[in-house]
Amino acid sequence: GAGVSQSPRYKVAKRGQDVALRCDPISGHVSLFWYQQALGQGPEFLTYFQNEAQLDKSGLPSDRFFAERPEGSVSTLKIQRTQQEDSAVYLCASSSIVGSPIPVTFGSGTRLTVV
Amino acid sequence: TQLLEQSPQFLSIQEGENLTVYCNSSSVFSSLQWYRQEPGEGPVLLVTVVTGGEVKKLKRLTFQFGDARKDSSLHITAAQPGDTGLYLCAGSGGTSYGKLTFGQGTILTVHP
Repeated sequence: GAGVSQSPRYKVAKRGQDVALRCDPISGHVSLFWYQQALGQGPEFLTYFQNEAQLDKSGLPSDRFFAERPEGSVSTLKIQRTQQEDSAVYLCASSSIVGSPIPVTFGSGTRLTVV
Repeated sequence: TQLLEQSPQFLSIQEGENLTVYCNSSSVFSSLQWYRQEPGEGPVLLVTVVTGGEVKKLKRLTFQFGDARKDSSLHITAAQPGDTGLYLCAGSGGTSYGKLTFGQGTILTVHP
């Protein structure tokens, strides 16, 4: 597609519920990132995929967070037993190359609210 | 751990005024990027600076990368209401694949 597509745009979950957030990167992009952005703050790194390999998951806040990219394209971020502190915007970004500096394209994000 | 301190956190100015946003770190970054983010959207890249001392201009926006590649600034001349938004600096260089470390952001409001 023309850009990075994320769905759903908004998700309201009851505390304790499991959620799955989807990211469709730009076709052919090798690198895929997930970031978490709290209200009024800058994004914080969660995890990185190079094709289907998850090379860095150091930013995942707990073992309730799990990400996958099984075929090297679409990625899913799953949060189990959601808690109120998980409320944030979850951003996905992709890039066609590996290395620094890299131009990444961000999606519009999924706003998760845990009630 | 690489950290980026961005200031000010909030900026409210009148149309036509000039402003500067600062981004500072004790760590060296191989590159630094500036983004603008509007409500409900993802960050959009404005510029990437890679060389210490580098200055880049984008219309009324001037970006500077410090000589030691630890700090950067964004200067806007004659601000307009359309400049309103969240401005983010982000550094890369801690990994081989370009993981970004973001500052806290500066919320800019330009009043007509």
